Amino acid sequence: GQNIDQPTEMTATEGAIVQINCTYQTSGFNGLFWYQQHAGEAPTFLSYNVLDGLEEKGRFSSFLSRSKGYSYLLLKELQMKDSASYLCAVRDSNYQLIWGAGTKLIIKP
Amino acid sequence: IAGITQAPTSQILAAGRRMTLRCTQDMRHNAMYWYRQDLGLGLRLIHYSNTAGTTGKGEVPDGYSVSRANTDDFPLTLASAVPSQTSVYFCASSMEGEGTEAFFGQGTRLTVV
Repeated sequence: GQNIDQPTEMTATEGAIVQINCTYQTSGFNGLFWYQQHAGEAPTFLSYNVLDGLEEKGRFSSFLSRSKGYSYLLLKELQMKDSASYLCAVRDSNYQLIWGAGTKLIIKP
Repeated sequence: IAGITQAPTSQILAAGRRMTLRCTQDMRHNAMYWYRQDLGLGLRLIHYSNTAGTTGKGEVPDGYSVSRANTDDFPLTLASAVPSQTSVYFCASSMEGEGTEAFFGQGTRLTVV
C-alpha cells in the first residue's frame, strides 16, 4: 500500500528553527509537495521537490532524498504565524497526490 | 471569482437527504479534485477529473458522484447522506504537468445528523 508518515505534533519556540520530517512509500514518484494549513482554512502550497537536494524559499527550505523515501521541511526564524499544520504529499505513478495526515506545529513565545 | 470557490461553506444535513457541493474555478485548470479531510487522517481523494468530460474514482468514492460538464465547474453529489460523510470537503484544481501545485477552495464543513 501507499503510505506517508509525518509526526503528529511538534512544538518549537519563536525565533528558533524546526525540521518536520516526512517518509513515504508510494507506487512510483513524480514529486513531493509541502503545504501549510492554518486551522479552519484551506491548504496552501509551500514547496515542491522532484530531484534530490535542498530547495530554499525564504525562511522555508525543503529537502528530498528519493533513495531513502525521505523529505523534510525546515522552517527558520519561527514566527507565531507559522503555527499551523504542515502537510506532505507525494505524486505517485498515476499522478495522483497521496497525502500525509499532517504535522501540527505549535509555536511558543 | 478569483481562484477556486466552494459553496456552501457549511451545512447541516439530515441523513438520507441528497446534497450537492458546488465548486467553481476561473484559472482554466484542466484537472479538478474533491477531497475529504477528517481529524487524524490525511486528505483523501473522493473523485477527480483530468479534463472536462472525464471523471475518475479516488480512494473513497462510495456514496459520492461527480460530473464535469465544463472546465470551470466540478460539483460533488451525495445521493443519500449518512453520518459517516460528516467531514470537511475541499475542492482543488491544478494544471497538468510536473511540479504544478494544486489550489484549494476554502472548504465545505458538512455535518450529517
